[in-house]
Amino acid sequence: ETGVTQSPTHLIKTRGQQVTLRCSSQSGHNTVSWYQQALGQGPQFIFQYYREEENGRGNFPPRFSGLQFPNYSSELNVNALELDDSALYLCASSQSRDDGYTFGSGTRLTVV
Amino acid sequence: TQLLEQSPQFLSIQEGENLTVYCNSSSVFSSLQWYRQEPGEGPVLLVTVVTGGEVKKLKRLTFQFGDARKDSSLHITAAQPGDTGLYLCAGSPYNFNKFYFGSGTKLNVKP
Repeated sequence: ETGVTQSPTHLIKTRGQQVTLRCSSQSGHNTVSWYQQALGQGPQFIFQYYREEENGRGNFPPRFSGLQFPNYSSELNVNALELDDSALYLCASSQSRDDGYTFGSGTRLTVV
Repeated sequence: TQLLEQSPQFLSIQEGENLTVYCNSSSVFSSLQWYRQEPGEGPVLLVTVVTGGEVKKLKRLTFQFGDARKDSSLHITAAQPGDTGLYLCAGSPYNFNKFYFGSGTKLNVKP
């Protein structure tokens, strides 16, 4: 098992810019989900993909979008960055929700 | 408002003490999971509880799922400094395609 890997680990962007974060799922996992975690809080669900289709979304605006590829890797795209988008972005993969998720170490995004 | 409410938010205890962390909701969950997160890392799955009333043990950690599947607890016996971290409960309510985390309990075990 290779686990879940995310890139980059850290990123600084300017307000108004666009960013793409990448995630490589654990081998054999067909479900990937993305989370935003502000300092001192629990992760907030952004959305989930199952076999390349979005099948669940949290309370995030449309400028947060994603993709899942045939090899089950994934991207999170955020347009028109705002200062409040500064957070740790976590990717997690799973074979099934009840099996639990394997998380990556996250991408720390700072918007200035 | 959080769908999953955890208490306490912070806990600072001495090595060897026992503690319980609670996770409560007004919604029914198909399953609940507990994770532990250390600074700079993603959460790591500790356990999944599926059946109402279920009790699972993981060494010194005991997890319980409420009979009504709306709440869960984590009990740690004889806490050790290595137990220090952020403990998170998480799950999906029935008929929801969303996954929710609680706000977390930050545990500090002093040697």
